[in-house]
Amino acid sequence: GAVVSQHPSRVICKSGTSVKIECRSLDFQATTMFWYRQFPKQSLMLMATSNEGSKATYEQGVEKDKFLINHASLTLSTLTVTSAHPEDSSFYICSASYSDSNQPQHFGDGTRLSIL
Amino acid sequence: QKEVEQNSGPLSVPEGAIASLNCTYSDRGSQSFFWYRQYSGKSPELIMSIYSNGDKEDGRFTAQLNKASQYVSLLIRDSQPSDSATYLCAVTSPGFQKLVFGTGTRLLVSP
Repeated sequence: GAVVSQHPSRVICKSGTSVKIECRSLDFQATTMFWYRQFPKQSLMLMATSNEGSKATYEQGVEKDKFLINHASLTLSTLTVTSAHPEDSSFYICSASYSDSNQPQHFGDGTRLSIL
Repeated sequence: QKEVEQNSGPLSVPEGAIASLNCTYSDRGSQSFFWYRQYSGKSPELIMSIYSNGDKEDGRFTAQLNKASQYVSLLIRDSQPSDSATYLCAVTSPGFQKLVFGTGTRLLVSP
């Protein structure tokens, strides 16, 4: 159980393109999903917390107008990187958990984004 | 002071040995503790969760929690080369689902 699917796994696109990444909880309902970014040889950095039916909560320093998050249902959250530039190239990972804060987060397989 | 601290390593152990990974945390109110394994280029995978003081065993893995010392550890018995990865310690506080991660310890198991 607790499977989280993330799509696409890899994106290569030109500078200025907007990229949408999907995160789905396949076998459970996730009231909360999280979006992380990881640069090479660094730890995960939380970008935002996404709650179903409400606005996402962004971490300090993360531009909410650049990283648009939508959590329209209990099984789907999307992250859109708008007008992506080479510095946005990174490994983006989503996670999901049950509503209970004691429950662990389960991670998707990640999306490797490369902006040319 | 970082909220969750781990030695970055690498920790090198021979195949078949016990690998001991350690983690300390600063928030005394922390409630839930997790160990994740992350292979290079992959996303984290949950290995163990522990919520109360003492030991919790699952196969070759044992998690140990000492809330008085604000210390959590992961023991890997009979280490295998396939255990070579970065191990992330993560902590949550009451009422908060947000995970606070350590920077991870890189484990290398040599054949």
